[in-house]
Amino acid sequence: AQSVTQPDIHITVSEGASLELRCNYSYGATPYLFWYVQSPGQGLQLLLKYFSGDTLVQGIKGFEAEFKRSQSSFNLRKPSVHWSDAAEYFCAVGPKAAGNKLTFGGGTRVLVKP
Amino acid sequence: DAGVTQSPTHLIKTRGQQVTLRCSPKSGHDTVSWYQQALGQGPQFIFQYYEEEERQRGNFPDRFSGHQFPNYSSELNVNALLLGDSALYLCASGLAGGETQYFGPGTRLLVL
Repeated sequence: AQSVTQPDIHITVSEGASLELRCNYSYGATPYLFWYVQSPGQGLQLLLKYFSGDTLVQGIKGFEAEFKRSQSSFNLRKPSVHWSDAAEYFCAVGPKAAGNKLTFGGGTRVLVKP
Repeated sequence: DAGVTQSPTHLIKTRGQQVTLRCSPKSGHDTVSWYQQALGQGPQFIFQYYEEEERQRGNFPDRFSGHQFPNYSSELNVNALLLGDSALYLCASGLAGGETQYFGPGTRLLVL
């Protein structure tokens, strides 16, 4: 069965500092990988996705993520965080076959200090 | 272009009651999936609808049912509500065979 682990429940980072959020997955085959962001009381916004090809993918809001097959990881990074990046971030995996069932990690809450 | 919309935004029910949540997919999308997000947790897949049929189902009891209409909009019904059904219910739409889902703002359900 597929699963997603986000080891860090909370991360506090100073504004302007770099941010890295970890994501490890367990899946029977190479999955599609996603990062979503959720602001308080809001739905999920897609930050970026990986399907195939270049293992470093760029997303919106200055985020990027790197797929490492050998480590079953898909970590999210941002070089310099802004106060507006305070939110909860979810990593998700989905099947390459038809169908859109996503399996989500438990999320990482990011707090940005001024 | 309107994104995924959901109604109502908030809902309060009591145990044993029934509830219906509604979702309109993003223009051009033909699949609708429903997710339950309990407080402090990641979303969990309930089921997906395509061509007015349930195509996939997660580990949820039969109290959770749904429907998709010819215009691709969808309803989620929950019968015999339990306190544990309190959660944010998210609707996501996409294209059949596509890879990406787009989420609505959710309906927050509180069961008292």
